[in-house]
Amino acid sequence: KQEVTQIPAALSVPEGENLVLNCSFTDSAIYNLQWFRQDPGKGLTSLLLIQSSQREQTSGRLNASLDKSSGRSTLYIAASQPGDSATYLCAVSGSLQGAQKLVFGQGTRLTINP
Amino acid sequence: GAGVSQSPRYKVAKRGQDVALRCDPISGHVSLFWYQQALGQGPEFLTYFQNEAQLDKSGLPSDRFFAERPEGSVSTLKIQRTQQEDSAVYLCASSDGTGRGNTIYFGEGSWLTVV
Repeated sequence: KQEVTQIPAALSVPEGENLVLNCSFTDSAIYNLQWFRQDPGKGLTSLLLIQSSQREQTSGRLNASLDKSSGRSTLYIAASQPGDSATYLCAVSGSLQGAQKLVFGQGTRLTINP
Repeated sequence: GAGVSQSPRYKVAKRGQDVALRCDPISGHVSLFWYQQALGQGPEFLTYFQNEAQLDKSGLPSDRFFAERPEGSVSTLKIQRTQQEDSAVYLCASSDGTGRGNTIYFGEGSWLTVV
């Protein structure tokens, strides 16, 4: 059974810092990996999607990397801003049975202090 | 509407009561998903529809949970004889394709509290 773990569970940094969020998964047979953002009381917004054949994806100040063989992904946020404060979730999609469902980590709650 | 719409946004149910949660996906979206998110946890998969066909219901926690999408658009998640452990946010999501690479759009969720 696929398990996804995110470290740290919470992170608080001053504005302007670069930071890294970590995600690990136990079964390397994935189809893709996604990073989502969730604001309090809101749904999830997809930030980046990395196919299993890719190593990284970039969108603005966000860069996500994927090392499928070691079961790890990182989300790098450059020049953090208070508006980046949210919970960040990673999720993997399986390549075999149950391919349509996403398995999520518990999330990292990020606070950017002005 | 422009996004995935869920109703009610908040529901307080007495233990043993039946509840129905509605999801209006983005118009034309083929795929529809239900997830359950407990407080402080990541979402957990409940069920998946492709049009009106329920292709995967492996995540439904018990036979008290039932989902339908009879005309391939609006979906309803029904929970019978609610219990306290059913308290969670129920998230609906949709995507415009059947492939796993399609962007998935989430609604804001229905917050269920069972007392």
